[in-house]
Amino acid sequence: AQTVTQSQPEMSVQEAETVTLSCTYDTSESDYYLFWYKQPPSRQMILVIRQEAYKQQNATENRFSVNFQKAAKSFSLKISDSQLGDAAMYFCAYRPGTASKLTFGTGTRLQVTL
Amino acid sequence: ETGVTQTPRHLVMGMTNKKSLKCEQHLGHNAMYWYKQSAKKPLELMFVYSLEERVENNSVPSRFSPECPNSSHLFLHLHTLQPEDSALYLCASSQYRVPLSSYNSPLHFGNGTRLTVT
Repeated sequence: AQTVTQSQPEMSVQEAETVTLSCTYDTSESDYYLFWYKQPPSRQMILVIRQEAYKQQNATENRFSVNFQKAAKSFSLKISDSQLGDAAMYFCAYRPGTASKLTFGTGTRLQVTL
Repeated sequence: ETGVTQTPRHLVMGMTNKKSLKCEQHLGHNAMYWYKQSAKKPLELMFVYSLEERVENNSVPSRFSPECPNSSHLFLHLHTLQPEDSALYLCASSQYRVPLSSYNSPLHFGNGTRLTVT
């Protein structure tokens, strides 16, 4: 069974600084997708960034980038130039290549301070 | 404005009540999902519907009954719930069974229904 582990229940970062959220996963599949979702107080889960396992290049989306280490089964999220609006719960998620089911981690609550 | 709309936003019900959660997606997707989000636990997939057929049911108790009348609407009918069923219920949609070699549609979520069972 696939599992996703987020070992940091809470993280804090100062505005304009950089923070890295950790995620590891366990799978026997060779083709899969990884995602980071953000859940602000509005409760809507918003896709932040995605990575296809067959791509070696790390995905980037503006201030968000990932460090994808396939052999280590690690998928961390780096947020650069943190903004107050980045404060939210962040969930790492995994999906096998040919399936629709997402497996989520328990989340990391990110605080952004002035 | 989200492409996935859930109503009601909050719901309080007794254990003997019957209520329904509604989800509507305006994204042209062909798959819809119900997830349960409890405190300090990973999101749990409850049901998946693709092209209005239920394709996954993750051992959810029968007091939860999904209905998907068309590809844009999804309901979750609730009856004789337990206090431990109190949680945030999230609906999502996606494009299902995209070929492996092409970009796969991520899930788009609604704002959820906060359910409290008293």
